[in-house]
Amino acid sequence: QSALTQPASVSGSPGQSITISCTGTSSDVGSYNLVSWYQQDPGKAPKLMIYEISKRPSGVSNRFSGSKSGNSASLTISGLQAEDEADYYCCSYASSTSLVFGGGTKLTVL
Amino acid sequence: QVQLQESGPGLVKPSETLSLSCAVSGYSISSGYYWGWIRQPPGKGLEWIGSIYHSGSTYYNPSLKSRVTISVDTSKNQFSLKLSSVTAADTAVYYCARSRGLDTFDIWGQGTMVTVSS
Repeated sequence: QSALTQPASVSGSPGQSITISCTGTSSDVGSYNLVSWYQQDPGKAPKLMIYEISKRPSGVSNRFSGSKSGNSASLTISGLQAEDEADYYCCSYASSTSLVFGGGTKLTVL
Repeated sequence: QVQLQESGPGLVKPSETLSLSCAVSGYSISSGYYWGWIRQPPGKGLEWIGSIYHSGSTYYNPSLKSRVTISVDTSKNQFSLKLSSVTAADTAVYYCARSRGLDTFDIWGQGTMVTVSS
């Protein structure tokens, strides 16, 4: 299985909205509504931000939202804040009872 | 609250077996959830290694399956990872995590760095 494809980097100014894409195949993202997103600050463990495409865990800001279309999923952050600057990873359930992560996207808040 | 803590050698020799444990506090492993291992090579992305269900069923990354064993010790409320025949490519920060389904890792350990070198 190959890693899901994410842009290496995205950037935005405070207050703006950004979207991070996560492209897979019909064997993972396209076949299951089981995509999650993680935020990782440098030197820290990842933090769950979105699960099952668009659900937010308790305590995660509603500025974070997720969606899916075909073989691609997306994470949108609205009202960008300096504290959102981090690495973001998508993860999908895949056939043969497996999981695959994306390569990660570095978000820079300008 | 639920907390996970990884432990094990920080240095492993090539061709040997990497062994890590994850102690769980605040929740009984045998009560439910999946328990998994994820790694991150320096400067690179996350890679799922495998997971174990509280009942003992195991699920492994196909690319690592031949070298990985994940087990649970309910008496110690911990789960473990063994990765055999390691090479420098296995050098990484290793995280243990709880997941509500196989895919949703909601609680993570702080991670432990393992270097493979002679």
